[in-house]
Amino acid sequence: ETGVTQSPTHLIKTRGQQVTLRCSSQSGHNTVSWYQQALGQGPQFIFQYYREEENGRGNFPPRFSGLQFPNYSSELNVNALELDDSALYLCASSFWTGGGEAFFGQGTRLTVV
Amino acid sequence: DQQVKQNSPSLSVQEGRISILNCDYTNSMFDYFLWYKKYPAEGPTFLISISSIKDKNEDGRFTVFLNKSAKHLSLHIVPSQPGDSAVYFCAASANTGNQFYFGTGTSLTVIP
Repeated sequence: ETGVTQSPTHLIKTRGQQVTLRCSSQSGHNTVSWYQQALGQGPQFIFQYYREEENGRGNFPPRFSGLQFPNYSSELNVNALELDDSALYLCASSFWTGGGEAFFGQGTRLTVV
Repeated sequence: DQQVKQNSPSLSVQEGRISILNCDYTNSMFDYFLWYKKYPAEGPTFLISISSIKDKNEDGRFTVFLNKSAKHLSLHIVPSQPGDSAVYFCAASANTGNQFYFGTGTSLTVIP
């Protein structure tokens, strides 16, 4: 059983650029959620994808968008990067049955300069 | 609006003693609660969970207590070990969709 993997692990981008982060969910999981963790804060929910459709969204602007693919892997896209987007981005996969834990990847550290 | 709060940013405990980490929440719709442990440069790792229909759940050295009337939960680690040193996050969800709301974390240091 493979765990959740994210790529890349680190990334430096310039303000105004666009970035794509990738996540491979754990085998058998059909739900992927993305979180942003700023320094000294807990993870903040960005959005969740279930069966290739967005299923819930946190308080993030539309320039944060995502995709889920038929194999349940996922992408997080951020347009028009701002300095405040610098954070650790975490992907979590889970079963849709609910009441269960989500399994997190190691995260992508994004730095916007 | 922080719906899940961990008011102690750090905690130091002697090896072998009990560690108690606290968490408060404001949303009465939360019905599932979890604790995650996070080491530097790693993603959060699931530790233990509790449903709102219970007030206690135990797994080895880890016990989570839930007080719904006070909107408070706590994680007890007994006995504490140096390997338990990490940041612990409390999380809650209001439905079965695993959309978690996290606290800001408590950094636990277990002193040998």
